[in-house]
Parts: sequence; structure tokens; C-alpha cells
Amino acid sequence: QSALTQPASVSGSPGQSITISCTGSSSDIGSYNLVSWYQRHPGKAPKLILYGDTQRPSGVSRRFSGSKSAYTASLTISGLQAEDEAEYYCCSYAGSATVVFGGGTKLTVL
Amino acid sequence: QLQLRESGPGVVKASQTLSLTCTVSGGSVSSGGYFWSWIRQHPGKGLEWLGYIYYTETAYYNPSLKSRVTISLDTSRNQFSLRLTSVTAADTAVYYCASGFPGVEYFQDWGQGTLVTVSS
Repeated sequence: QSALTQPASVSGSPGQSITISCTGSSSDIGSYNLVSWYQRHPGKAPKLILYGDTQRPSGVSRRFSGSKSAYTASLTISGLQAEDEAEYYCCSYAGSATVVFGGGTKLTVL
Repeated sequence: QLQLRESGPGVVKASQTLSLTCTVSGGSVSSGGYFWSWIRQHPGKGLEWLGYIYYTETAYYNPSLKSRVTISLDTSRNQFSLRLTSVTAADTAVYYCASGFPGVEYFQDWGQGTLVTVSS
């Protein structure tokens, strides 16, 4: 079971859009529509922002969207705001009742 | 929405057993439809799933840690617990408890996390 691969950091200016990729394999992302994404501000608990590849929980801004192609899932944040500066983690079901996370991506809003 | 809170020692000696408890409010650990999970984050690293347990008390673990990890429920106290044996410095991390939903496999509610340092 290997961790999913995310870029260590991304950045963007307020109002812009950014995309964070999350690459797995045929054992996880490629086999299940069960990718979730979490936002974590320093010192805070992670917060669920997407599940089921593309679904937003109630209360999460429409600026957050998800997509997937083959073994790579993506999180797009549109209309960047200062409050979006945080770490973002992807997660996928990996079969046999196991789950795997990505290494995390630090988003800097310039 | 559930509230979860981790508790346990902040320092554990190497080779000993790390034990943490997660207290759940706003719901019952014995009710169907949830799993109860432990996740950790090493300093400066990503999240690592340790395992989860269903209300049926069936537990599943990260294969890389399976021999050292045990997750259990205490329905009388509405808690679930983590035991990690034979700890080393590599087990120093912030440990989170979280709840989620089987079948959709995401973590809805999280505790604030607790730092556990393994000392020599």
C-alpha cells in the first residue's frame, strides 16, 4: 500500500484557480469512485471538502470541485481567497477495507 | 455532526505501548452506519491511516502496521481506543480520531488531534 502522490506545494493569487493533483494506481484511485479531499489549517483538524470523487458536503463552497481521470484525481479551487491557504490531502479507498492518503499539498495564496 | 476528542499520554517510552482514547459525543459508537478510525501525521509529513472499527467491533488495519495496532470499542463509555505496541521514535506523530461511513469511505468528523512523542 503506497501513499498517493501529491505536489508538495502550489500557489496562486486571489481570484485565480488552482488545481492539485493526486496520483495513485489501479489498486486505489483507478478502481473506486471513492476519493475524498481534506483541508487542514495549521493547528486545526482536517475538514472534509469533497467525497466520492466529486461530491461536496453540505456547507462547502462551490469554489471547490473534484475530477478524476484514470489513476489521477484532482481538486480545483476557483476564485482563490486568502482563507483557502492551507494544506490539502487526498484519500482513496484501496480495497480490502483499507484506505490510503496522499502526502499533502501546501497551498499558498500570494 | 459528531464531536470527537482524543486523550492519552503525550509521551511514551520507546518499546512500550501507546494507548489513546477517543470520546464521542453527539452519537453512539454502537450505532450502525459509522466506522471509527485512527489517523496520524508525522511531523512535516502527510496523513497515515492506521485503521478503523465498525460498530460490529470488526476492525481493519493498515497492512504496514497490522501486527502492532489494535482498535477497540467501549460502548459503555461511548469511546474507542488505539493501542500501538513496541513504539519507536518513528511513531512520534499527531494522532487523530475520526468517524466515517462504510461504503463511501470518507472521514466526516475529526478530533483536534493529540501529539504523542516517543522518548528514549
